[in-house]
Amino acid sequence: GQQVMQIPQYQHVQEGEDFTTYCNSSTTLSNIQWYKQRPGGHPVFLIQLVKSGEVKKQKRLTFQFGEAKKNSSLHITATQTTDVGTYFCAVPSNAGGTSYGKLTFGQGTILTVHP
Amino acid sequence: GAVVSQHPSRVICKSGTSVKIECRSLDFQATTMFWYRQFPKQSLMLMATSNEGSKATYEQGVEKDKFLINHASLTLSTLTVTSAHPEDSSFYICSAMTRTGSSYEQYFGPGTRLTVT
Repeated sequence: GQQVMQIPQYQHVQEGEDFTTYCNSSTTLSNIQWYKQRPGGHPVFLIQLVKSGEVKKQKRLTFQFGEAKKNSSLHITATQTTDVGTYFCAVPSNAGGTSYGKLTFGQGTILTVHP
Repeated sequence: GAVVSQHPSRVICKSGTSVKIECRSLDFQATTMFWYRQFPKQSLMLMATSNEGSKATYEQGVEKDKFLINHASLTLSTLTVTSAHPEDSSFYICSAMTRTGSSYEQYFGPGTRLTVT
């Protein structure tokens, strides 16, 4: 099945510093999704990227999809304590093609923010 | 936004007993729901795909006779962990899929933390 590598596994930052997590696939993706899971909570959908080279912003969050549609990144500018949690990327389980809903999740990046 | 509920949120059971977990889509119909398992500090692992009106599709390595899935209506899927053992202790999360144009979004339930003693 489809696999995606996500790094880093952990990231500790001081409040106000930036944060980036990366996902890489060996195959071309039809799309990639990003989720945030707060400690003790469940994953919450953040965004889906579909187009090659796409860049989307949500306030301090910037999401990028690589030109080859094999990698993606999530960047948070000036982190706040409310950004604490685990960030996952997720890709369609069937390689390439149309998504039928099944997702394979990356390993996740656990972000801690020190005030 | 789409809301998915799960019940119970926490359950403690004795080894050898069975536990049923419910997943409901509250404000939309979901022909497809997914069941995941998540161990501490690990990622979500897809266990099975639940399709309304048909048999669930299980991922490789997941015992279908141990994890019984029933998707009886467009808003309800249940996961029953039969003859539970301590190694089944985990965080079980369901999601319901909606379709917007050509894209699919999954909305996750709040999860059920199962502890088998």
